[in-house]
Formats: sequence, C-alpha cells, structure tokens
Amino acid sequence: EAGVAQSPRYKIIEKRQSVAFWCNPISGHATLYWYQQILGQGPKLLIQFQNNGVVDDSQLPKDRFSAERLKGVDSTLKIQPAKLEDSAVYLCASSLGPGQGNEQFFGPGTRLTVL
Amino acid sequence: DAKTTQPNSMESNEEEPVHLPCNHSTISGTDYIHWYRQLPSQGPEYVIHGLTSNVNNRMASLAIAEDRKSSTLILHRATLRDAAVYYCTPSSGSARQLTFGSGTQLTVLP
Repeated sequence: EAGVAQSPRYKIIEKRQSVAFWCNPISGHATLYWYQQILGQGPKLLIQFQNNGVVDDSQLPKDRFSAERLKGVDSTLKIQPAKLEDSAVYLCASSLGPGQGNEQFFGPGTRLTVL
Repeated sequence: DAKTTQPNSMESNEEEPVHLPCNHSTISGTDYIHWYRQLPSQGPEYVIHGLTSNVNNRMASLAIAEDRKSSTLILHRATLRDAAVYYCTPSSGSARQLTFGSGTQLTVLP
C-alpha cells in the first residue's frame, strides 16, 4: 500500500515570497490533515479536511495560509507571503475517518526554510 | 483540550525493556490515548492506542492507569531502531484531533 506522498521535500525561499506544498493521501482516506512542526516541537494541526470540506481550520493563520482539497483527494497548502517564523516542516497526514481509533498516516514532510 | 506531560528524554540499553510514562490528568472520559513515534527526518508513525484497558500489538504494550490520569508505553526489547521521539496524545474534540506535545526523546544504547 502506497503511503502519503508529499512534494517538494525541501524548499528554500526568501521572506515575502509565496510557496505551495502538495499532498496525496492514501487511497480511500476521507480525512486529511496538515500539520506544522517547528524544530524541537511536536506537530501542530493547521487544518483538517473531511472529503473536500473543512472540519477545523482554527489554528490556520488565514491572513497568509490557505489550503484546499479539491475533489476530496489531493490537497495543497499555500503560504503567501512567507515570514521567517514559517520555517518548519509541514506534514500531511490522512486517515480513514475522524473516529476515535482511526490511525493517522503521515507523509515524510516538506522542510521549509525562509531566509 | 487535554494536556499531557512527558519526560524530555530517556535512555535505555539495547534488548532491555523500556517504560515511557505520560501524565494526562485532564483527559475526558471518552478520549482515547494515542502513542506515536517520530524517527529522525520522518513523519510520525502510529504505535498504539487505548481507552481503559491495557493494549498489546506487535510494536508495544500500553498500560493505562485505572483512573486514566496516566499511561505507560512499554517496549519489551528495545532495539537501536526504536530510538525516536515518542508522543503521547489524547484524541479530543468533536473531530477527535490529536494534540502533540514535545514528546520524549528515547536514546537506545548498544
């Protein structure tokens, strides 16, 4: 079974530039998550999708971050414009559904460096 | 959201058992406890989860205190490949989200 795919794996940009990350979840997984992981910290949930609808985006900085999951499969996370503090690993995860025991499967992440 | 407390780091010798503790005194009665681990340069990986009873799978065992205010992840025979950051996280809220703290960095000594 193929895992969660993310691209690119690494990205270096200058502040005020824009950047986009792509995620392809495991086939059949209805729930998709984007996390931000700053060095030395645990992942922080940014947004959760159920199919193509947003379940929770309360921790997404909406003035600069946006995310979409068209057709309920792939997802894109965008930052525009980027700030220095956005340097982090951006992780995508998917699960069958948001139930109690549903295991989340994580991708390898995209490491973003903002200069 | 329920908060968790874990030691920042622990060490273990290879092929010995490891007991990783987690305090979650504010957990609600319906929240599961999940454990994930993260190897260097990888995304987190599911280890185990439980509600009230002790749980076993091929990777580990989970012992949950009777009052559910704490739990312990047990690796029966640590290997060098078990060196990782281990996260204890409740699943809470209507969307059953995971809330990761800083976790415990496990070092396995040969």
